[in-house]
Amino acid sequence: GESVGLHLPTLSVQEGDNSIINCAYSNSASDYFIWYKQESGKGPQFIIDIRSNMDKRQGQRVTVLLNKTVKHLSLQIAATQPGDSAVYFCAEYVGDEAGTALIFGKGTTLSVSS
Amino acid sequence: KAGVTQTPRYLIKTRGQQVTLSCSPISGHRSVSWYQQTPGQGLQFLFEYFSETQRNKGNFPGRFSGRQFSNSRSEMNVSTLELGDSALYLCASSLSSGGVETQYFGPGTRLLVL
Repeated sequence: GESVGLHLPTLSVQEGDNSIINCAYSNSASDYFIWYKQESGKGPQFIIDIRSNMDKRQGQRVTVLLNKTVKHLSLQIAATQPGDSAVYFCAEYVGDEAGTALIFGKGTTLSVSS
Repeated sequence: KAGVTQTPRYLIKTRGQQVTLSCSPISGHRSVSWYQQTPGQGLQFLFEYFSETQRNKGNFPGRFSGRQFSNSRSEMNVSTLELGDSALYLCASSLSSGGVETQYFGPGTRLLVL
């Protein structure tokens, strides 16, 4: 079946470093992707999204890159802080007016040490 | 604007019992989706409700059901609980104005089945 997956289950970085979290998807027809951050005991929190007509989108300290040719997404976090420690999920939006759903990858746990 | 709220936050049940979880979406949001999160399977889509109708459904048995009220609040019910139903149940809401949209998540209800 089709799924959204992540390359690495864990990533450890030092405070101040840049972090890159990767995600591969398999549905070439997908046109909307979202990155979520989930801290312990909380629900997923929206970070940034990107549509398939773009290859890059920037937010505050975060950048999402989309490579449709190889069906790959990445989330870049600049100057990583201890507060960035969490599990990061990419999600693929599927559906239309008949119904929608998010298909999630397995998640990458980011650990930031100071 | 208040976020998505879910009640109760924690719940302990025994096998064979049934449980009802509640979700109040962000004010103005008309679509409510439910997800199950477990360490083994990750985040999986259960179903989506819009205008009091189930608009989309994931691959879960019929023991999992839901409904939506006229004020967009939603409930999900799990009957004949099994040990494997222990999970974090997440509710997400979106505006559903016709195009692709971000879903915003609540904190979840953690269900433990003994």
